[in-house]
Amino acid sequence: DQQVKQNSPSLSVQEGRISILNCDYTNSMFDYFLWYKKYPAEGPTFLISISSIKDKNEDGRFTVFLNKSAKHLSLHIVPSQPGDSAVYFCAARGVWGAQKLVFGQGTRLTINP
Amino acid sequence: GAVVSQHPSRVICKSGTSVKIECRSLDFQATTMFWYRQFPKQSLMLMATSNEGSKATYEQGVEKDKFLINHASLTLSTLTVTSAHPEDSSFYICSAGRPGTGHLWTEAFFGQGTRLTVV
Repeated sequence: DQQVKQNSPSLSVQEGRISILNCDYTNSMFDYFLWYKKYPAEGPTFLISISSIKDKNEDGRFTVFLNKSAKHLSLHIVPSQPGDSAVYFCAARGVWGAQKLVFGQGTRLTINP
Repeated sequence: GAVVSQHPSRVICKSGTSVKIECRSLDFQATTMFWYRQFPKQSLMLMATSNEGSKATYEQGVEKDKFLINHASLTLSTLTVTSAHPEDSSFYICSAGRPGTGHLWTEAFFGQGTRLTVV
């Protein structure tokens, strides 16, 4: 049962353009969402987060948008840079029980020069 | 960001032996810690969530007697893979949740991961 879904396994974007990574979730009990960047054989690196009481959070080149009614969030990176090439994971915090952190399947972003 | 140290980064063990992986939050107190397993070209699969001083909550399908998790202090959690078999070979990653103004964590930082190979 995949509660957090990233339906695009890969995305290719030209340097300087906007990268948009999408994520959907099924459980309305998730109250906090995070985006991570990951390189092979390393732990994920935190990028940006958003609380379910907000619909937008911005940090430098990264902006996360949350649409609660659609159970959808997106990460915008603008402008995209070659160093942004990595696998991006969205994750969600569940407030029931043990406050788990659940990940999507990831999207491999490639920035082309 | 905060620092989470995971050790060892790589371990090879014989089938039937046990292996312990440590996860430490170096500059904050982690009320919640997570353990994940990553298969090749797949996502991070949550194995269990542990809160300091209480028993870990295991995800469905994860054998708690095989993957022993101890969260004895606010800065240390350990995962012990008992009686390891080759199918346990994988990349294991821990994460530590840093609380915000309340008791719920609002940021989660990851260790570097441990590559376990069982031969």
